[in-house]
Amino acid sequence: KQEVTQIPAALSVPEGENLVLNCSFTDSAIYNLQWFRQDPGKGLTSLLLIQSSQREQTSGRLNASLDKSSGRSTLYIAASQPGDSATYLCAVSDDYKLSFGAGTTVTVRA
Amino acid sequence: SQTIHQWPATLVQPVGSPLSLECTVEGTSNPNLYWYRQAAGRGLQLLFYSVGIGQISSEVPQNLSASRPQDRQFILSSKKLLLSDSGFYLCAWSVERGVTDTQYFGPGTRLTVL
Repeated sequence: KQEVTQIPAALSVPEGENLVLNCSFTDSAIYNLQWFRQDPGKGLTSLLLIQSSQREQTSGRLNASLDKSSGRSTLYIAASQPGDSATYLCAVSDDYKLSFGAGTTVTVRA
Repeated sequence: SQTIHQWPATLVQPVGSPLSLECTVEGTSNPNLYWYRQAAGRGLQLLFYSVGIGQISSEVPQNLSASRPQDRQFILSSKKLLLSDSGFYLCAWSVERGVTDTQYFGPGTRLTVL
């Protein structure tokens, strides 16, 4: 059974600081890894998807890396802004099924 | 463009009452459909998924059931709610399974069982 862990559970930083969010998973036989953003009381928005054959994916200020052999992914958010405050969820794909971590709740202080 | 709808947005129900949550997808055909539950402080748990009309797979045995009466409609039901059924229910869809499988999520339904 795939287990996905996200550390830390919560993070508070001043505006402008870079964010580093960590995700680890126990079974390296994955199809892809995705990072989602969830605002309070809302659904999930996909941020980045990394195929199992890729090492990283970038979108604007966001960069995600994947080390499948060690079961780790890191999401970097450069120059954080108050609008980045949200919960960030990591999920790994086993064919049809996504296994999610519990998320990291980020607060960016103005 | 594709859109996914869920209703109701919030629901408060007494223990033992029935439940029906609906999810519909617009702008695509034959999507894969998923029901997830998110309990407070926990990750999303896959409850059911469907690859076609009438085809439902259950991931977690419980007092919930799912049905897919139409191609783009997915319904989550219960005959008798339990306190432990409280949570945030999310419906999602995807185009295909496998390596390119991005899932798109609806806005969710907040269910409180009292």
